Amino acid sequence: ETGVTQTPRHLVMGMTNKKSLKCEQHLGHNAMYWYKQSAKKPLELMFVYNFKEQTENNSVPSRFSPECPNSSHLFLHLHTLQPEDSALYLCASSEEGTRGYEQYFGPGTRLTVT
Amino acid sequence: QQPVQSPQAVILREGEDAVINCSSSKALYSVHWYRQKHGEAPVFLMILLKGGEQKGHEKISASFNEKKQQSSLYLTASQLSYSGTYFCGTEGRDQGAQKLVFGQGTRLTINP
Repeated sequence: ETGVTQTPRHLVMGMTNKKSLKCEQHLGHNAMYWYKQSAKKPLELMFVYNFKEQTENNSVPSRFSPECPNSSHLFLHLHTLQPEDSALYLCASSEEGTRGYEQYFGPGTRLTVT
Repeated sequence: QQPVQSPQAVILREGEDAVINCSSSKALYSVHWYRQKHGEAPVFLMILLKGGEQKGHEKISASFNEKKQQSSLYLTASQLSYSGTYFCGTEGRDQGAQKLVFGQGTRLTINP
């Protein structure tokens, strides 16, 4: 238990569906992250939020839309996804969004796009 | 630029030692090490911030050679619980915000 929770743990959605992933951290951290982990590929940073402000969008397609209403919660809204978007989506948090702080990961949401 | 890890995979018997290397083509500010077991979240192991820094806890330690832009993770007298995929994540010296770039991972299997 790292103090970062994610729901749902598994999600199957069609290409025309709209769904959201939720992440919550109980560590009092101020920075939160979304990562994508595909089979046989390294962890890819998607978005960074520091004190609720988005500080990084790593060239992510607009069909992924993040939302950070406060420092403890992070959402990833999904719409009109493609089969290649099937992956494990990991949320992480760190004390601050500046360099040098360790990140704590949630268990991830296994997403399958059909 | 993604760091390169070597080896890609290693199989050991319990009690043997392992070294995992992480090499970057850019100047680094820090190197982070994580371990991920199948179906679980990556778990933070340690962060190295300065050139020449070494850290360790229990039988897992790491070094960071800033000039060579390399880091190595050392696992001594390996235990079955050490099995998993090890990732290094690097932060560039020219970046202010945290933007970890991860290597492709090294799969470590410890057999009894």
